[in-house]
Amino acid sequence: SAVISQKPSRDICQRGTSLTIQCQVDSQVTMMFWYRQQPGQSLTLIATANQGSEATYESGFVIDKFPISRPNLTFSTLTVSNLSPEDSSIYLCSVEKVAGDEQYFGPGTRLTVT
Amino acid sequence: AQKVTQAQTEISVVEKEDVTLDCVYETRDTTYYLFWYKQPPSGELVFLIRRNSFDEQNEISGRYSWNFQKSTSSFNFTITASQVVDSAVYFCALMDNQGGKLIFGQGTELSVKP
Repeated sequence: SAVISQKPSRDICQRGTSLTIQCQVDSQVTMMFWYRQQPGQSLTLIATANQGSEATYESGFVIDKFPISRPNLTFSTLTVSNLSPEDSSIYLCSVEKVAGDEQYFGPGTRLTVT
Repeated sequence: AQKVTQAQTEISVVEKEDVTLDCVYETRDTTYYLFWYKQPPSGELVFLIRRNSFDEQNEISGRYSWNFQKSTSSFNFTITASQVVDSAVYFCALMDNQGGKLIFGQGTELSVKP
Protein backbone atom coordinates (compact mmCIF):
# COMPACT_ATOMS: atom_id res chain seq x y z
CA SER A 1 0.00 0.00 0.00
CA ALA A 2 0.95 3.67 0.10
CA VAL A 3 0.55 6.44 2.64
CA ILE A 4 -1.04 9.43 0.98
CA SER A 5 -1.59 12.85 2.48
CA GLN A 6 -3.57 15.76 1.15
CA LYS A 7 -3.50 19.41 2.09
CA PRO A 8 -5.70 21.11 3.00
CA SER A 9 -8.14 18.61 4.47
CA ARG A 10 -10.94 21.12 4.04
CA ASP A 11 -11.43 24.73 3.04
CA ILE A 12 -14.13 27.30 2.56
CA CYS A 13 -13.48 29.60 -0.37
CA GLN A 14 -15.24 32.53 -1.93
CA ARG A 15 -16.66 32.50 -5.39
CA GLY A 16 -14.14 33.56 -8.04
CA THR A 17 -11.04 32.54 -6.11
CA SER A 18 -8.88 29.45 -6.59
CA LEU A 19 -7.78 26.61 -4.35
CA THR A 20 -4.68 24.48 -4.78
CA ILE A 21 -4.70 21.01 -3.28
CA GLN A 22 -1.52 19.10 -2.61
CA CYS A 23 -1.08 15.33 -2.71
CA GLN A 24 2.03 13.72 -1.24
CA VAL A 25 2.88 10.01 -1.32
CA ASP A 26 5.41 8.30 0.93
CA SER A 27 6.99 6.37 -1.96
CA GLN A 28 7.47 6.71 -5.69
CA VAL A 29 4.43 5.75 -7.73
CA THR A 30 3.88 5.39 -11.43
CA MET A 31 0.37 6.74 -11.64
CA MET A 32 -1.39 9.61 -9.85
CA PHE A 33 -4.98 10.63 -10.39
CA TRP A 34 -7.44 13.28 -9.27
CA TYR A 35 -11.11 12.50 -8.64
CA ARG A 36 -14.09 14.60 -7.67
CA GLN A 37 -16.95 13.47 -5.46
CA GLN A 38 -19.89 15.84 -5.50
CA PRO A 39 -22.20 15.80 -2.47
CA GLY A 40 -24.00 12.49 -2.14
CA GLN A 41 -22.56 11.27 -5.42
CA SER A 42 -20.03 8.76 -6.67
CA LEU A 43 -16.48 9.52 -7.74
CA THR A 44 -15.54 10.86 -11.16
CA LEU A 45 -12.04 10.98 -12.58
CA ILE A 46 -10.88 14.50 -13.39
CA ALA A 47 -7.47 13.72 -14.85
CA THR A 48 -4.36 11.60 -14.77
CA ALA A 49 -1.36 13.54 -13.49
CA ASN A 50 1.62 12.74 -15.69
CA GLN A 51 5.11 13.27 -14.37
CA GLY A 52 7.00 15.74 -16.52
CA SER A 53 4.20 16.37 -19.00
CA GLU A 54 0.70 17.78 -19.24
CA ALA A 55 -2.08 15.98 -17.42
CA THR A 56 -4.58 13.86 -19.33
CA TYR A 57 -8.10 15.18 -18.76
CA GLU A 58 -11.36 13.28 -18.89
CA SER A 59 -14.28 14.48 -20.92
CA GLY A 60 -15.92 17.45 -19.29
CA PHE A 61 -12.81 18.63 -17.47
CA VAL A 62 -10.42 21.23 -18.89
CA ILE A 63 -6.97 22.43 -17.99
CA ASP A 64 -7.99 26.05 -17.54
CA LYS A 65 -10.41 25.08 -14.79
CA PHE A 66 -8.36 22.26 -13.22
CA PRO A 67 -4.65 22.86 -13.81
CA ILE A 68 -2.53 19.98 -12.50
CA SER A 69 1.15 19.69 -11.81
CA ARG A 70 3.28 16.62 -11.13
CA PRO A 71 6.90 17.61 -10.72
CA ASN A 72 8.09 14.21 -9.47
CA LEU A 73 6.97 10.67 -8.66
CA THR A 74 5.67 11.45 -5.17
CA PHE A 75 3.85 14.78 -5.45
CA SER A 76 1.04 16.41 -7.39
CA THR A 77 -1.17 19.47 -7.12
CA LEU A 78 -4.67 20.17 -8.38
CA THR A 79 -5.92 23.73 -8.64
CA VAL A 80 -9.61 24.43 -8.89
CA SER A 81 -9.89 27.84 -10.54
CA ASN A 82 -12.55 30.53 -10.67
CA LEU A 83 -14.58 28.80 -8.02
CA SER A 84 -18.35 28.61 -8.08
CA PRO A 85 -20.72 26.91 -5.64
CA GLU A 86 -20.99 23.99 -8.09
CA ASP A 87 -17.34 23.21 -7.33
CA SER A 88 -18.22 22.33 -3.75
CA SER A 89 -17.08 18.71 -3.56
CA ILE A 90 -14.55 16.35 -2.09
CA TYR A 91 -11.41 16.15 -4.20
CA LEU A 92 -9.35 13.00 -3.85
CA CYS A 93 -6.00 12.00 -5.21
CA SER A 94 -5.17 8.37 -5.82
CA VAL A 95 -2.06 6.45 -6.74
CA GLU A 96 -0.94 3.21 -8.32
CA LYS A 97 2.60 1.98 -7.84
CA VAL A 98 2.33 0.14 -11.14
CA ALA A 99 -0.33 0.67 -13.82
CA GLY A 100 -3.21 -1.74 -13.24
CA ASP A 101 -2.22 -2.39 -9.65
CA GLU A 102 -4.24 -1.60 -6.53
CA GLN A 103 -5.29 2.04 -6.50
CA TYR A 104 -5.14 3.80 -3.14
CA PHE A 105 -6.80 7.05 -2.23
CA GLY A 106 -5.80 9.99 -0.13
CA PRO A 107 -8.06 11.24 2.66
CA GLY A 108 -9.66 13.87 0.43
CA THR A 109 -10.06 17.64 0.50
CA ARG A 110 -13.52 18.91 1.30
CA LEU A 111 -14.13 22.19 -0.54
CA THR A 112 -17.06 24.48 0.14
CA VAL A 113 -17.56 27.50 -2.09
CA THR A 114 -19.66 30.38 -0.78
CA ALA B 1 -19.02 1.87 -23.03
CA GLN B 2 -17.95 0.80 -19.59
CA LYS B 3 -20.42 1.01 -16.77
CA VAL B 4 -20.88 -0.17 -13.20
CA THR B 5 -24.32 -0.55 -11.65
CA GLN B 6 -25.03 -0.86 -7.96
CA ALA B 7 -28.78 -1.16 -7.92
CA GLN B 8 -29.10 -1.06 -4.15
CA THR B 9 -28.96 2.55 -3.05
CA GLU B 10 -29.45 1.87 0.64
CA ILE B 11 -29.50 -1.27 2.75
CA SER B 12 -30.35 -1.47 6.41
CA VAL B 13 -29.68 -4.56 8.52
CA VAL B 14 -29.48 -5.48 12.16
CA GLU B 15 -26.15 -6.42 13.63
CA LYS B 16 -25.08 -10.04 13.04
CA GLU B 17 -27.15 -10.36 9.89
CA ASP B 18 -25.42 -11.31 6.66
CA VAL B 19 -25.71 -8.80 3.83
CA THR B 20 -24.82 -8.93 0.13
CA LEU B 21 -24.05 -5.86 -1.94
CA ASP B 22 -24.62 -6.31 -5.64
CA CYS B 23 -22.40 -5.04 -8.43
CA VAL B 24 -22.98 -5.52 -12.15
CA TYR B 25 -20.55 -4.22 -14.73
CA GLU B 26 -20.36 -3.70 -18.49
CA THR B 27 -17.20 -3.77 -20.55
CA ARG B 28 -16.03 -4.96 -23.94
CA ASP B 29 -12.51 -5.57 -22.70
CA THR B 30 -11.36 -9.13 -22.12
CA THR B 31 -8.83 -7.95 -19.55
CA TYR B 32 -10.08 -5.72 -16.79
CA TYR B 33 -10.01 -5.27 -13.03
CA LEU B 34 -12.75 -4.98 -10.46
CA PHE B 35 -12.50 -3.21 -7.14
CA TRP B 36 -14.48 -2.66 -3.97
CA TYR B 37 -13.95 0.34 -1.69
CA LYS B 38 -15.47 1.33 1.63
CA GLN B 39 -16.21 4.95 2.47
CA PRO B 40 -17.07 5.37 6.16
CA PRO B 41 -18.69 8.56 7.47
CA SER B 42 -15.24 10.09 7.92
CA GLY B 43 -14.97 10.24 4.13
CA GLU B 44 -11.77 8.42 3.27
CA LEU B 45 -11.91 5.70 0.66
CA VAL B 46 -10.61 2.38 1.94
CA PHE B 47 -9.39 -0.23 -0.54
CA LEU B 48 -10.95 -3.66 0.04
CA ILE B 49 -10.14 -5.85 -2.95
CA ARG B 50 -8.88 -5.90 -6.52
CA ARG B 51 -9.73 -8.80 -8.82
CA ASN B 52 -8.57 -9.34 -12.40
CA SER B 53 -10.87 -10.71 -15.06
CA PHE B 54 -8.98 -13.99 -15.37
CA ASP B 55 -9.41 -14.96 -11.76
CA GLU B 56 -12.94 -16.12 -11.00
CA GLN B 57 -12.11 -17.74 -7.72
CA ASN B 58 -14.17 -16.48 -4.86
CA GLU B 59 -12.24 -14.59 -2.23
CA ILE B 60 -12.72 -14.61 1.51
CA SER B 61 -11.10 -12.25 3.97
CA GLY B 62 -12.41 -12.60 7.49
CA ARG B 63 -16.08 -11.64 7.46
CA TYR B 64 -15.84 -10.37 3.90
CA SER B 65 -16.28 -12.47 0.79
CA TRP B 66 -16.57 -11.71 -2.89
CA ASN B 67 -18.29 -13.67 -5.63
CA PHE B 68 -17.09 -12.94 -9.17
CA GLN B 69 -19.14 -14.39 -12.03
CA LYS B 70 -18.14 -13.41 -15.54
CA SER B 71 -21.18 -15.17 -17.00
CA THR B 72 -23.45 -12.64 -15.33
CA SER B 73 -20.90 -9.76 -15.21
CA SER B 74 -21.30 -9.53 -11.48
CA PHE B 75 -18.90 -9.00 -8.61
CA ASN B 76 -20.95 -9.21 -5.42
CA PHE B 77 -19.72 -8.50 -1.92
CA THR B 78 -21.00 -10.28 1.18
CA ILE B 79 -20.45 -9.28 4.78
CA THR B 80 -21.08 -12.09 7.23
CA ALA B 81 -22.27 -11.34 10.76
CA SER B 82 -22.38 -7.60 10.12
CA GLN B 83 -21.25 -5.14 12.75
CA VAL B 84 -22.08 -1.50 13.41
CA VAL B 85 -18.58 -0.55 12.23
CA ASP B 86 -19.48 -1.90 8.79
CA SER B 87 -21.83 1.04 8.32
CA ALA B 88 -20.50 2.95 5.32
CA VAL B 89 -20.99 3.58 1.65
CA TYR B 90 -19.51 0.80 -0.46
CA PHE B 91 -18.36 1.41 -4.01
CA CYS B 92 -17.73 -1.12 -6.73
CA ALA B 93 -15.41 0.04 -9.53
CA LEU B 94 -14.10 -1.15 -12.89
CA MET B 95 -10.68 -0.49 -14.41
CA ASP B 96 -9.90 -1.16 -18.05
CA ASN B 97 -6.92 -3.11 -19.33
CA GLN B 98 -4.79 0.01 -19.74
CA GLY B 99 -4.91 0.66 -16.04
CA GLY B 100 -5.65 3.83 -14.21
CA LYS B 101 -9.13 5.12 -14.71
CA LEU B 102 -11.64 3.72 -12.25
CA ILE B 103 -15.28 3.79 -13.21
CA PHE B 104 -17.36 3.78 -10.07
CA GLY B 105 -20.85 2.58 -9.38
CA GLN B 106 -23.21 4.90 -7.55
CA GLY B 107 -22.48 3.25 -4.24
CA THR B 108 -24.57 1.37 -1.70
CA GLU B 109 -25.08 2.92 1.69
CA LEU B 110 -25.09 0.19 4.31
CA SER B 111 -26.51 0.90 7.73
CA VAL B 112 -25.97 -1.71 10.43
CA LYS B 113 -28.11 -1.13 13.48
CA PRO B 114 -27.30 -2.54 16.91
